[in-house]
Amino acid sequence: SQTIHQWPATLVQPVGSPLSLECTVEGTSNPNLYWYRQAAGRGLQLLFYSVGIGQISSEVPQNLSASRPQDRQFILSSKKLLLSDSGFYLCAWARGPWETQYFGPGTRLLVL
Amino acid sequence: GNSVTQMEGPVTLSEEAFLTINCTYTATGYPSLFWYVQYPGEGLQLLLKATKADDKGSNKGFEATYRKETTSFHLEKGSVQVSDSAVYFCALSDSQGGSEKLVFGKGTKLTVNP
Repeated sequence: SQTIHQWPATLVQPVGSPLSLECTVEGTSNPNLYWYRQAAGRGLQLLFYSVGIGQISSEVPQNLSASRPQDRQFILSSKKLLLSDSGFYLCAWARGPWETQYFGPGTRLLVL
Repeated sequence: GNSVTQMEGPVTLSEEAFLTINCTYTATGYPSLFWYVQYPGEGLQLLLKATKADDKGSNKGFEATYRKETTSFHLEKGSVQVSDSAVYFCALSDSQGGSEKLVFGKGTKLTVNP
């Protein structure tokens, strides 16, 4: 069976500090991978998606970036965090385009 | 572009009450439609889905029917339980411009009281 992991579960970071959130998937190959942010009262916003190693599509302009160094690894990064980056970050995978997405447990980020 | 509109929450019900959460969509082509549920402090889980018009998705007592004529995918449950308290998201598959993503509604928070 397939599983998706995210870490850390919770993170408190000062403004201006760097960020690295990691997501890994087990039990499948060449998945589509997604990063979402859920901010208070704003619903779910797609940030990045990837259809393969090194292939990243950005949905919204921001100071975040994503990378996919391995088939089942998806990393969300920032060089300098902003207060507005606070939120709940969710990683998801799918077998292909427009297929059911399976979500990880999320990382709660608080930028102070 | 494609979009999903779901009823504003929060929704508060007593146990065993009937639940409806409205969801309508705007889309070109024939998207698949989904309901996801997010329990407190957790990620989203697929609740049910429908891939073509008149399909009915069902799971855990929840149902939703893909209505092309009214562009709707309303979520219903005949008798809710306290354990159903969660945020519910309606979503559609978006194939515009070659992108490969789901478009989510803003979510509806449901609280069920004993």
